[in-house]
Amino acid sequence: DQQVKQNSPSLSVQEGRISILNCDYTNSMFDYFLWYKKYPAEGPTFLISISSIKDKNEDGRFTVFLNKSAKHLSLHIVPSQPGDSAVYFCAATVIISNFGNEKLTFGTGTRLTIIP
Amino acid sequence: DTAVSQTPKYLVTQMGNDKSIKCEQNLGHDTMYWYKQDSKKFLKIMFSYNNKELIINETVPNRFSPKSPDKAHLNLHINSLELGDSAVYFCASSRGTSGRRGNEQFFGPGTRLTVL
Repeated sequence: DQQVKQNSPSLSVQEGRISILNCDYTNSMFDYFLWYKKYPAEGPTFLISISSIKDKNEDGRFTVFLNKSAKHLSLHIVPSQPGDSAVYFCAATVIISNFGNEKLTFGTGTRLTIIP
Repeated sequence: DTAVSQTPKYLVTQMGNDKSIKCEQNLGHDTMYWYKQDSKKFLKIMFSYNNKELIINETVPNRFSPKSPDKAHLNLHINSLELGDSAVYFCASSRGTSGRRGNEQFFGPGTRLTVL
C-alpha cells in the first residue's frame, strides 16, 4: 500500500525553464510534507517542507504547493540549473511519539535531468 | 566534518552470515532512524530511536536488531543474512523534540549491502 506516489519516474527540462515535480498521497493523517533531493551514492538531503495548514511555501528557487483537497503537492524549481539534476523524493509525515519521532513515508522518486 | 556517518560504505557477504552497520551523528540530535532502500528505489523506514529508546519498529524481521549505545550512535545488526536483505541502508537523525514539526532529517551516505 503505497501512501505517497510519484507517478513520473523521470523528467527532463531545459536549463533556465521551470521544473515541476508532482506527488500524490492517500493518507489524510499526514500533516507535514517534505521534498528531498538525492545525488548518486549520497544520502537524501532536505530541500523544503510545508505544513498541511498551508498551501504554499517558497525558498529561493524552490516553491512547494499543497492542494489538500486533491491530496496533491508539487515542487517548482525556477529557473532550473544543471546542478538540480538529481532524484527528488516527496515525503509525508505524521508525528508518532511525544518525543517528536516523525515517521517519514517516501514516494519512489522522480529523476530530474536538466539539459544545458 | 560529516554530520551523519555510516560504516562501512559497501558490504558484500554470504547468505547466512551476521553483519553490522554502524552509524554516528555529531549534530547533537536526540532522534535517529534506519531506512532501507530496496532494488526498486523505494525508501522505507525500519526503526527510530529517541535518546537510546526504540520508538518505531516497522514490522522488520527480528533478524534485524538495532542497538543504540548512546544518543549519537545507532548501529544495525543483521543475523542470518538473506538474499532479500540486499539493499542500501541509510541512517538518519533529526532534532526530535524541538517543538517544530516537519523536522528535517539528516541522512548518512548509505551502506550498500550485497548478499551473495
